[in-house]
Amino acid sequence: GDSVTQMEGPVTLSEEAFLTINCTYTATGYPSLFWYVQYPGEGLQLLLKATKADDKGSNKGFEATYRKETTSFHLEKGSVQVSDSAVYFCALSDRGATNKLIFGTGTLLAVQP
Amino acid sequence: DAGVIQSPRHEVTEMGQEVTLRCKPISGHDYLFWYRQTMMRGLELLIYFNNNVPIDDSGMPEDRFSAKMPNASFSTLKIQPSEPRDSAVYFCASSSGGGTLKPQHFGDGTRLSIL
Repeated sequence: GDSVTQMEGPVTLSEEAFLTINCTYTATGYPSLFWYVQYPGEGLQLLLKATKADDKGSNKGFEATYRKETTSFHLEKGSVQVSDSAVYFCALSDRGATNKLIFGTGTLLAVQP
Repeated sequence: DAGVIQSPRHEVTEMGQEVTLRCKPISGHDYLFWYRQTMMRGLELLIYFNNNVPIDDSGMPEDRFSAKMPNASFSTLKIQPSEPRDSAVYFCASSSGGGTLKPQHFGDGTRLSIL
């Protein structure tokens, strides 16, 4: 079945460092890809998405490019802030009639001042 | 705009008791999802509804779990009887329209502890 694999955390960075969180997927067909973020004590929020190969999703300085050839959707940010500390989830959904999301296990990011 | 509202935020109860979690989706959204989040298993989809009708309940762990959506503005997830292994954070999410281009909006979750 479809699945998402994320790099294990926690990822600990200093403020203004460059961030990469790796995500690869396995899917039949052509899924849509998402990054969700979960701040402490809150639910998940959609951060960005991409619906076809070579699409780049971006939001709040974060970017991810849908790479069909490597089945990847890595999350990047050029300069992280303490306020970016959260758990980041990569997810996919097929293009069928369902609205189901399949999530990765999440990666905890801790940014230190 | 009000987001997805879940209640209670925290629930602590003893094993064997009935637990009812509640969710009010965003007005106008026609899809509603229930998820469970644990350290061991991550985020799991339990069940989802479209226009108040259950579409896929394949993620419901066992018969002790049941979910209903009596109208477009309210859903419940019930566990009876509860067991310690049910301890988790339960999230409700809603979205408008079908297909994955419509983002799911999550509530803040219910943290459930079964003693």
